Amino acid sequence: GAGVSQTPSNKVTEKGKYVELRCDPISGHTALYWYRQSLGQGPEFLIYFQGTGAADDSGLPNDRFFAVRPEGSVSTLKIQRTERGDSAVYLCASGLLEGTDTQYFGPGTRLTVL
Amino acid sequence: AQSVTQPDIHITVSEGASLELRCNYSYGATPYLFWYVQSPGQGLQLLLKYFSGDTLVQGIKGFEAEFKRSQSSFNLRKPSVHWSDAAEYFCAVGANNQGGKLIFGQGTELSVKP
Repeated sequence: GAGVSQTPSNKVTEKGKYVELRCDPISGHTALYWYRQSLGQGPEFLIYFQGTGAADDSGLPNDRFFAVRPEGSVSTLKIQRTERGDSAVYLCASGLLEGTDTQYFGPGTRLTVL
Repeated sequence: AQSVTQPDIHITVSEGASLELRCNYSYGATPYLFWYVQSPGQGLQLLLKYFSGDTLVQGIKGFEAEFKRSQSSFNLRKPSVHWSDAAEYFCAVGANNQGGKLIFGQGTELSVKP
């Protein structure tokens, strides 16, 4: 079966622009997570969805970051007024259930803000 | 606050030698512990996880890890390293009451000498 997919794989944008990053979870997985991985660091939690609702968005750094999952499957991470500090790899993971269930990670989207 | 420490940023071992990667965590309740591996251009892959029960857990690719509550540690081991094990290794902690949010360590980069 297909794993978690993320598009685009690479995104280069200019400071101040708006970007959208897409995540397609494994079919049937109700839990979906976004993480951000800066160079030389481990992934950092951003937000997690259980179904369509954001169950925990405590990791979003500020109000420029927003994520949706309108139909409980595909999710989009949206970043407004991008800054150079937003440059990182954005990882998406999905799980069959929330909680302690294994999270399956996608390959990530590398975002570069010039 | 939860935290994970991987004291070794980079380790080099000879092929065929044994390996131990260190992980220490800080968490008030019983943690759920994970080891993930990340190869260049690849997504994070779960090696093993500990939820409860036997403190020595077996994973894929010949890896094992031992949970030691008294030392707040969850070290990863492999008796004989293969060149294909060269990658970045991440330890992570989660909790059921956190909705599956994972806190990752900084990672340990493993190099394998022929």
